[in-house]
Amino acid sequence: AQKITQTQPGMFVQEKEAVTLDCTYDTSDQSYGLFWYKQPSSGEMIFLIYQGSYDEQNATEGRYSLNFQKARKSANLVISASQLGDSAMYFCAMRERANAGKSTFGDGTTLTVKP
Amino acid sequence: DTAVSQTPKYLVTQMGNDKSIKCEQNLGHDTMYWYKQDSKKFLKIMFSYNNKELIINETVPNRFSPKSPDKAHLNLHINSLELGDSAVYFCASSLLAGAINEQFFGPGTRLTVL
Repeated sequence: AQKITQTQPGMFVQEKEAVTLDCTYDTSDQSYGLFWYKQPSSGEMIFLIYQGSYDEQNATEGRYSLNFQKARKSANLVISASQLGDSAMYFCAMRERANAGKSTFGDGTTLTVKP
Repeated sequence: DTAVSQTPKYLVTQMGNDKSIKCEQNLGHDTMYWYKQDSKKFLKIMFSYNNKELIINETVPNRFSPKSPDKAHLNLHINSLELGDSAVYFCASSLLAGAINEQFFGPGTRLTVL
């Protein structure tokens, strides 16, 4: 069974609008972390935001926020006020404490911001 | 100051050759990783070292051999390169192996096997 599922291979959003990238996960570990990374066309992997399984508040980092719904096992990334520079591939990832902290990545979502 | 660096950035070689990729991190992290990203952008972990000790070894052909001379360096040696080895290889590091903090990635090495 896939541990991280990103069901949107591609998404489009108008500049200045908000967009939500979906991520669901599967784990039996009580202690885990969820991460989002951005990979622009230049290829580097950029860490965006982290949510711990015990965190009660949703994580926020500037224009990025993580909509964490533990019971549904979802960790959606919300980007507010999209900018052209947000066009990139976005990966959701999970690390489980019981699994030596190994990261499992989703297949990614390609976001295109339209002017 | 580059946090996680890899050399070379590009590597083009013939089938059957042996090549190495080097990685260094100056973040003081204990744990380092190698990931492979294929042409479809799927990212999979290959190896992880914690303070020079191998802790994760996924199902990777034994032509791939990681080496960690110290906790700041993790190299990847590949023997008898095959066409299917063409990919982008990312090195990453994180503070502690058992902790669930973020990983910092290097810029990647694009390997092309002809």
